Amino acid sequence: ETGVTQTPRHLVMGMTNKKSLKCEQHLGHNAMYWYKQSAKKPLELMFVYSLEERVENNSVPSRFSPECPNSSHLFLHLHTLQPEDSALYLCASSQEGGRAREQYFGPGTRLTVT
Amino acid sequence: AQKVTQAQTEISVVEKEDVTLDCVYETRDTTYYLFWYKQPPSGELVFLIRRNSFDEQNEISGRYSWNFQKSTSSFNFTITASQVVDSAVYFCALSGLLFSGGYNKLIFGAGTRLAVHP
Repeated sequence: ETGVTQTPRHLVMGMTNKKSLKCEQHLGHNAMYWYKQSAKKPLELMFVYSLEERVENNSVPSRFSPECPNSSHLFLHLHTLQPEDSALYLCASSQEGGRAREQYFGPGTRLTVT
Repeated sequence: AQKVTQAQTEISVVEKEDVTLDCVYETRDTTYYLFWYKQPPSGELVFLIRRNSFDEQNEISGRYSWNFQKSTSSFNFTITASQVVDSAVYFCALSGLLFSGGYNKLIFGAGTRLAVHP
């Protein structure tokens, strides 16, 4: 595997379900990000982990719970979601402190909440 | 305030036409970085280019070229001889030091949807 991978690619869940999104980066980066992309809305930064510590939580509802067990893996645990949470969830990684500041993105998980 | 504006919401062209996507930014940083990303229908954001604020030299990569002008706070992207495979949403983004919060925070524009028709 190369780059940033995300599983599953598509997820349909009911409002009472609990599910998790997984992200893995194979780039040796030390920062990872979760973004939400809703239809006709700008990209929204949700969480940032730098050196495995959460450094940003952009007022995200508690029904979204991130976890970063190591620098290569990032999870987003979902529970009791609402239909408005249906969106494309993108994971990204970058190398903090380096000259290259770009983030590399995974293919996303298309989430539908019914 | 740090902000990226992509005024063109949607652009439609016919194959082989040249097309320019506009990006205007605002920042108080003296050192900052600008980026372009491509998001094809598959969903993944693909990194295209990074420029830093000290390098105003324009860049060309195949059919892609970028025009960075600090005087007008713009970082425009031109696709020459467009092809159907160029159809995607293109995002311009800004990263700096003042608002970094200790990591490489990106401020994204709203994106421009480009449709290239055969």
